[in-house]
Amino acid sequence: DAGVIQSPRHEVTEMGQEVTLRCKPISGHDYLFWYRQTMMRGLELLIYFNNNVPIDDSGMPEDRFSAKMPNASFSTLKIQPSEPRDSAVYFCASSFQGEAGKLFFGSGTQLSVL
Amino acid sequence: SQQGEEDPQALSIQEGENATMNCSYKTSINNLQWYRQNSGRGLVHLILIRSNEREKHSGRLRVTLDTSKKSSSLLITASRAADTASYFCATRSAGNMLTFGGGTRLMVKP
Repeated sequence: DAGVIQSPRHEVTEMGQEVTLRCKPISGHDYLFWYRQTMMRGLELLIYFNNNVPIDDSGMPEDRFSAKMPNASFSTLKIQPSEPRDSAVYFCASSFQGEAGKLFFGSGTQLSVL
Repeated sequence: SQQGEEDPQALSIQEGENATMNCSYKTSINNLQWYRQNSGRGLVHLILIRSNEREKHSGRLRVTLDTSKKSSSLLITASRAADTASYFCATRSAGNMLTFGGGTRLMVKP
């Protein structure tokens, strides 16, 4: 198994631009999570899906952030418009309910908004 | 918001020594998990301990859980330079949300 795959690995953009982060979870996993990691705030849960349905998006900071999961093998996190304070590492993780919530993380997307 | 808080925030030891990290949390949990993060990488699951368990071992790792004190500890025995990483505790409560602490940065000097 290739694990959770995220793209791009690095993204540098200018303030105001749209940013789309992508994630392919592990096949067979029924939960997908988006986290953001910064030095100041640590690891924050943004949103999670169960069977492609968003369950809790209370961690999404603003309306500028949106996430979709059109099918079991793909999810996107979009920021529009982006701002410098969005600079962070964004992680996607997936899990299988039977594993009691053990998460498998992707390598992350390092986002820099200039 | 962070449910778990690790202590210490940073730890520096010599290769071969033991490393102990602690985690405190606030609300009732179903299980507590420890993860490792190497620099520039994603988190990797190390060990899971359920709320009805008190101790668990995996190789050089030993985890304890005290639900009365709402705390857990991770012990790495005979540390190696390759153990240098950040270690996070994460708690799972009702529902399926896993909440992470701020992490302990461990440096093992060769």
